[in-house]
Amino acid sequence: DAGITQSPRYKITETGRQVTLMCHQTWSHSYMFWYRQDLGHGLRLIYYSAAADITDKGEVPDGYVVSRSKTENFPLTLESATRSQTSVYFCASSESGYTDTQYFGPGTRLTVL
Amino acid sequence: GDSVTQMEGPVTLSEEAFLTINCTYTATGYPSLFWYVQYPGEGLQLLLKATKADDKGSNKGFEATYRKETTSFHLEKGSVQVSDSAVYFCALSGYTNAGKSTFGDGTTLTVKP
Repeated sequence: DAGITQSPRYKITETGRQVTLMCHQTWSHSYMFWYRQDLGHGLRLIYYSAAADITDKGEVPDGYVVSRSKTENFPLTLESATRSQTSVYFCASSESGYTDTQYFGPGTRLTVL
Repeated sequence: GDSVTQMEGPVTLSEEAFLTINCTYTATGYPSLFWYVQYPGEGLQLLLKATKADDKGSNKGFEATYRKETTSFHLEKGSVQVSDSAVYFCALSGYTNAGKSTFGDGTTLTVKP
């Protein structure tokens, strides 16, 4: 199906473990984004990518790593998960990134114990 | 840098009441302005947008007008329904922000029958 998908939808892990959240879009959009959503903080940008092999830090990048070897995929890795990374993570994409609409995935709810 | 300030919530209304959610922004240049809506358990989706001053965005009975003189983009609906219960985010995006969007903190709307 066309659109933007995230996997897994729910994940429980332990402190110190590595976790990778997947994001896949079928539109060939140039821009992709990772956000985290926490009560009281709204949406905060973690990393974004303007094209394959081009990534840049957002507002809260510490503890996260991204890669984008293919246009359609933008995985987010927590190298050593901490409890403060318990959150809902949203991936989004847009065609140009500047004035275009962002299309959001359904989110991944991550709990770090 | 760019910023978006939204009316604090939560907002509780009775069905058929008039809705206003205030949004003001600070930005350089001429950003595009957006309202996104997030229904429970879902990602954000575009509700409406406006790309230049005095433009009016509209969708599903919701409207917002891009007011450059007051740097505002208030969301209005004449008669809300229970199905409008959701979190509403105001956002801006522009060429000065390297392709990123800036989001407000969100306003939770609950409509009671």
